[in-house]
Formats: sequence, C-alpha cells, structure tokens
Amino acid sequence: QVQLVESGGGVVQPGGSLRLSCAASGFTFSIYAMHWVRQTPDKGLEWLAFIRYDGSNEYYADSVKGRFSISRDNSKNTVDLQMNSLRADDTAVYYCAKDSSAWSAEYFQHWGQGTLVTVSS
Amino acid sequence: DIQLAQSPSTLSASVGDTVSITCRASQSVRDWLAWYQQKPGKAPQVLIYKASRLESGVPSRFSGSGSGTEFTLTISSLQPDDFATYYCQQYDRYASFGGGTKVEIK
Repeated sequence: QVQLVESGGGVVQPGGSLRLSCAASGFTFSIYAMHWVRQTPDKGLEWLAFIRYDGSNEYYADSVKGRFSISRDNSKNTVDLQMNSLRADDTAVYYCAKDSSAWSAEYFQHWGQGTLVTVSS
Repeated sequence: DIQLAQSPSTLSASVGDTVSITCRASQSVRDWLAWYQQKPGKAPQVLIYKASRLESGVPSRFSGSGSGTEFTLTISSLQPDDFATYYCQQYDRYASFGGGTKVEIK
C-alpha cells in the first residue's frame, strides 16, 4: 500500500535552514506529482509546494516563494523540501502528499504522517 | 489566491443524523474541489474529489455536490467513526483549503 514517510523535522533558530525529506513506497513514484503541505492550529492547512512527476515544473505558495525549494529524486523515490530563512510562523506540522495526477496540481490522494518543525530561539 | 469559507465551523450531531457542510469559494473553481476528513494526530484523508466523486474505499454515506462557488459535503446516517474535522480544498488554481468544520457529538 502507499506509504509516505517524512523525516528531517526538528527545532531550528529563526533565520536558519532545514531540509525535509519524504520517502515513498507502495506505488510507482516516478509517475505522480508530489506536494508539501503544512498545518498549524491557527492557520489550518496550507499548501506550500508542488513538483511535477518528472521534476520539470514547480509551483510555490506566495508565503514560501524564494525561501523554500522542492525537489525529487525518482531513482530514490524521495521528495525533499529545502527551507531557508525560517521564521517563527513557519512552525507547523509538515506533510508530503501524493497527487492524483502526474502533470497538474490536483487533489491529495495520499499523505504522510507529518513531521514537526519548530522555529524558535 | 482563491479563498474557501466553510460553514459551520463546528457542528454538533448524534449518531444516525444526516449532516451537511458548506464550502464557498471566492471565485469559481468549476468542479475542482475535494473534501477531506482528519482525526486528531492524523493526516487528512480524501473523501470526495471533483466535487462529487467518491474516492475508492470511502463509504457511500459520504456525498458531495455543487459547482462554481458553492459546494456541500453531506454525511448520511452519521457513524461514531465520522466524528472528525472536515476540510474542503480547491485545485482549480494551485491549491487552497477551507478553515475546517469540526463534527462533534451532541
């Protein structure tokens, strides 16, 4: 069955960087688009980033554009989120999610269990 | 950005009730709308996509309707496992989520 396992969360100081990784299994990773989504009690669910099945296209939410970068390695079945210039309001549970489509951002068919990122001094 | 407004924010109901949740979009999303269920400490799970299509494995007591800017998720004959928080999500332009509706036991 589909499994998505995030790793890399933790505590980081404001202005710092963190790289999240998501390991996928149970499906043909290379033919599905992938996303990162985060959740906080205050702001709820927030879509962050999308990457096409072959890595040829990426989209970002305005709130993270220029600071976060999504990438994938289809040989290792992983999708990463590089997060730079972190701020306190980036504190959240971060999920990777598998899209229902290869090409375009559609709905989130499967989700990982999430990893907590805390930005604090 | 497309904003999604869900109502109500909290809904109290009993087992066996039929309940409806509304999601209103700030502009037309055609029928590119999904609904998710989330339980505490767990990731969301998709119930409905393309406004009214039931995701594989989801019980038929869940149904979705609507198009354009107004959508409804209906749960018929509420079961104990259905007490959770529900979110709508548009994917007409990138993605965005509604604020959620918590269905609690009356």
